[in-house]
Amino acid sequence: AQSVTQPDIHITVSEGASLELRCNYSYGATPYLFWYVQSPGQGLQLLLKYFSGDTLVQGIKGFEAEFKRSQSSFNLRKPSVHWSDAAEYFCAVDFTGGGNKLTFGTGTQLKVEL
Amino acid sequence: GAVVSQHPSWVICKSGTSVKIECRSLDFQATTMFWYRQFPKQSLMLMATSNEGSKATYEQGVEKDKFLINHASLTLSTLTVTSAHPEDSSFYICSARGSLSGANVLTFGAGSRLTVL
Repeated sequence: AQSVTQPDIHITVSEGASLELRCNYSYGATPYLFWYVQSPGQGLQLLLKYFSGDTLVQGIKGFEAEFKRSQSSFNLRKPSVHWSDAAEYFCAVDFTGGGNKLTFGTGTQLKVEL
Repeated sequence: GAVVSQHPSWVICKSGTSVKIECRSLDFQATTMFWYRQFPKQSLMLMATSNEGSKATYEQGVEKDKFLINHASLTLSTLTVTSAHPEDSSFYICSARGSLSGANVLTFGAGSRLTVL
């Protein structure tokens, strides 16, 4: 079955430190890949997406993600975390390629220590 | 940018009653809307896909008669939880796809938390 794995349920980093959130998916072809952030009381906000082309994609708020086909991974990174980045982060995959169905990972809760 | 509004944000109801949750695209026409359910500390699970003017397509395991979805206009979809029970308590999230959001990008609402007593 198609699945999305975010192995880290919780991550704590100090403000100013670098961040990497992991995401792996199970599938043969290259699906559409997304990272969303969810803050309390707010809807999921799209950070970045990958459909094709350059495997390093830049997103909003200083985030970037790298698609690695050989590892079926799409890890999210940020060089310097801000306290306002504390939130829940979801990796999502559209295996159908049609924009119809997103399969979400279980999320990673990011805590930022001041 | 594309904005999706959900109402109500919080709702508490008694067991056996029905609750309606609205999902509106405020500044674009949403040809397709999606309803998700999120349990605490878990991922979002797609419940159903609705296209304006047609019947919703439900995911396997989702009870059609319990979760009634209507997408009567290009800016409004509703989810009605009928004869709600405590196990229906959850966080329900809608998303929409339309002209502003892009063909392969969804815009999400802030979610509606349902508590059934």
